[in-house]
Amino acid sequence: DAKTTQPNSMESNEEEPVHLPCNHSTISGTDYIHWYRQLPSQGPEYVIHGLTSNVNNRMASLAIAEDRKSSTLILHRATLRDAAVYYCIRGIYFGNEKLTFGTGTRLTIIP
Amino acid sequence: NAGVTQTPKFQVLKTGQSMTLQCAQDMNHNSMYWYRQDPGMGLRLIYYSASEGTTDKGEVPNGYNVSRLNKREFSLRLESAAPSQTSVYFCASRPDRGFYGYTFGSGTRLTVV
Repeated sequence: DAKTTQPNSMESNEEEPVHLPCNHSTISGTDYIHWYRQLPSQGPEYVIHGLTSNVNNRMASLAIAEDRKSSTLILHRATLRDAAVYYCIRGIYFGNEKLTFGTGTRLTIIP
Repeated sequence: NAGVTQTPKFQVLKTGQSMTLQCAQDMNHNSMYWYRQDPGMGLRLIYYSASEGTTDKGEVPNGYNVSRLNKREFSLRLESAAPSQTSVYFCASRPDRGFYGYTFGSGTRLTVV
């Protein structure tokens, strides 16, 4: 079963970078790492995904360890709107995979 | 705006009552999903549909039925609601080709008393 480990909660100051860790020590060679976030009272939204290389998009960066047993979601400059629960999920690239959400990391941004 | 629309947003039921949660997407996605989220917990998959006319059970299907009415609509039915089904229900969809993230609706908050 897909399994990742994340800290329950983290705090960060506004306008500073945030590094959200995720451990996935049993990941298979074909599993991607997906990140979603859930803002208060909303459904989850896609953030970023990657396989082996570091990835960047307009929302965040994803750094994947060389052995792929861990990864880090990087928010380069946190704002109050980034306060959310962040989920790290492993899953196949496409097809009828069913994402399994854990409890995620609750990120609090301090003004 | 393109996306996933869920109705109703809030609902209170008495134990034993039935209701249907509606979900519709206008992105021409084949795959659709129903999740539930209990307080302080992650999302758990109830049912999913890979295409029109097909449905499969997820992690917690007991007490629920689903219908994939057409490509756009995927409904979730509670035949006899129980307090244990008090939760927030999310519908999601995704395309089949390439990789695109799931698109979630804003949820239906259901309370069974």
